[in-house]
Amino acid sequence: GAVVSQHPSWVICKSGTSVKIECRSLDFQATTMFWYRQFPKQSLMLMATSNEGSKATYEQGVEKDKFLINHASLTLSTLTVTSAHPEDSSFYICSARDLSGLMNTEAFFGQGTRLTVV
Amino acid sequence: QKEVEQDPGPLSVPEGAIVSLNCTYSNSAFQYFMWYRQYSRKGPELLMYTYSSGNKEDGRFTAQVDKSSKYISLFIRDSQPSDSATYLCAMIRFGNEKLTFGTGTRLTIIP
Repeated sequence: GAVVSQHPSWVICKSGTSVKIECRSLDFQATTMFWYRQFPKQSLMLMATSNEGSKATYEQGVEKDKFLINHASLTLSTLTVTSAHPEDSSFYICSARDLSGLMNTEAFFGQGTRLTVV
Repeated sequence: QKEVEQDPGPLSVPEGAIVSLNCTYSNSAFQYFMWYRQYSRKGPELLMYTYSSGNKEDGRFTAQVDKSSKYISLFIRDSQPSDSATYLCAMIRFGNEKLTFGTGTRLTIIP
């Protein structure tokens, strides 16, 4: 299957600082990338959808000024958690799809990033 | 009512048993169906992807879709301890970007 690389796999930061998470599709063009948040023993919660070259679409209740998403190329999207606080501690996962063709395609996930804000 | 229902488990079965995991859905617009396996503290790994009713087999895994009943299943034959993980079903509407997930089923294979 296709490979989506997410970096870093874990990060610890101080409260008030910002953290950037990268998501790269290594062997296909990801026209659309998704960012999820996952709490322990729960399913994935979609935060936002980003299409290459355009602004991200955020799900209801997700602060767009706090979770900045950039999808500048067909292989890279970034999520920046700004002014992080302990309640932002979570597991963040990206996913990528190639929706450039006529066929619907499956979604591939990154390895996830565990963010701990202290 | 959730669009996709999945029993969260936990489900424990002895090694070598056949495992059956299921999801039901309410929206007939879902056309594409996926099963993911997620180990603790890792991202979901795609196991199966299908878009038609019937069975699709890949090694020890068989995905089954019944669109008339709005019911999908994942069967794992000859289950191994390494199959212990959370299994998530996911669905997509034709022409839609987003995946809709089930809650995931925690599976433990007992040696």
